[in-house]
Amino acid sequence: SQQGEEDPQALSIQEGENATMNCSYKTSINNLQWYRQNSGRGLVHLILIRSNEREKHSGRLRVTLDTSKKSSSLLITASRAADTASYFCATDSGAGSYQLTFGKGTKLSVIP
Amino acid sequence: DAGVIQSPRHEVTEMGQEVTLRCKPISGHNSLFWYRQTMMRGLELLIYFNNNVPIDDSGMPEDRFSAKMPNASFSTLKIQPSEPRDSAVYFCASSFPGRSSGNTIYFGEGSWLTVV
Repeated sequence: SQQGEEDPQALSIQEGENATMNCSYKTSINNLQWYRQNSGRGLVHLILIRSNEREKHSGRLRVTLDTSKKSSSLLITASRAADTASYFCATDSGAGSYQLTFGKGTKLSVIP
Repeated sequence: DAGVIQSPRHEVTEMGQEVTLRCKPISGHNSLFWYRQTMMRGLELLIYFNNNVPIDDSGMPEDRFSAKMPNASFSTLKIQPSEPRDSAVYFCASSFPGRSSGNTIYFGEGSWLTVV
């Protein structure tokens, strides 16, 4: 069963705008990760946030984690056409597990 | 660093034929994963190896699917006999779980399988 579920399924914005994607999960985690997939390519790791962290930044990316609500958000600021891709959250199942379960992703389109 | 290498990138085969997908993980990584991606079901974990040993194969759909990892630098996923519903993108991924890296996974570019 899916652990992470992204919302929205699809998002279309103008270049320069911010894009926010959300992820909800069901069980306790050690950490949560966000990945990006360009069309026809493999997934690429973007950022990892641990369960004891609430916010993390990497360049134009900002990730928040609310373990009480079992949710996370990914914010991409000042979006560019090159940010067009699908974005997935991935969670482990805690307790030392190294397996990741992925959501179905948010398809982001940034219009030049 | 070459990254995770998968072959073939694309394969079209007839129903009933055997399909073998190959993967070379990143050197030094001790965990290897096979995922399947479809529009309907998203990314599904098929099987996970740690130090060449299968740890969890609960995601393997049925007996037609088998995976091996004879050594640290090579793994195969075999489908025999193949069926049209097996059409999907199959990803191999590897990782070296640790305190600093967590369990960040590095994906190959995928093998696009079409069974007609």
